[in-house]
Amino acid sequence: DAGITQSPRHKVTETGTPVTLRCHQTENHRYMYWYRQDPGHGLRLIHYSYGVKDTDKGEVSDGYSVSRSKTEDFLLTLESATSSQTSVYFCAIYGGPGNTIYFGEGSWLTVV
Amino acid sequence: KQEVTQIPAALSVPEGENLVLNCSFTDSAIYNLQWFRQDPGKGLTSLLLIQSSQREQTSGRLNASLDKSSGRSTLYIAASQPGDSATYLCAVRLNSGGSNYKLTFGKGTLLTVNP
Repeated sequence: DAGITQSPRHKVTETGTPVTLRCHQTENHRYMYWYRQDPGHGLRLIHYSYGVKDTDKGEVSDGYSVSRSKTEDFLLTLESATSSQTSVYFCAIYGGPGNTIYFGEGSWLTVV
Repeated sequence: KQEVTQIPAALSVPEGENLVLNCSFTDSAIYNLQWFRQDPGKGLTSLLLIQSSQREQTSGRLNASLDKSSGRSTLYIAASQPGDSATYLCAVRLNSGGSNYKLTFGKGTLLTVNP
């Protein structure tokens, strides 16, 4: 299995509070991604990174920011959490000779 | 904008049956198409990846085909087993150049194989 760790795995937070999800990889892959998965919508790309300090928006980036100060870590921040951001968040990595994408185990976030 | 549709949304079959899952996409200019499996409460695991120049890929009891011109892919599962029960997702990567790996996913097919 690819070395991807997401933390926290489960979190309940209150509306209006900031939340940061962390994705850590041990594969030294260049590309990292944050997706959210919701019933009826499938997986949707929030933000992605193509290198240290290089990030770009996906299709559902409003309300989210990201940072990548090291190759191994990609942080997703909800500046002021809303109930619509209750979801399962998946980190993914891509790179190297494998020519495929690997997903983390997911982070379950509930905003009450 | 690329859209990916998977039919059916759910499928229940008896053990041992052969089955086909369908995936369609609106923009035929794809770089590749990938099938994933997702178990409840888990992340996604890649099953098969088909490059745009390929027609099919096989792995064990799984066979995936690709018809880029018609915007369709199928995942064939032979001799289904209860352990095959999971959600199956297809995803396409657009032929946008570069080595980025942005995928557009379908909503998945929930497969239940009954003993």
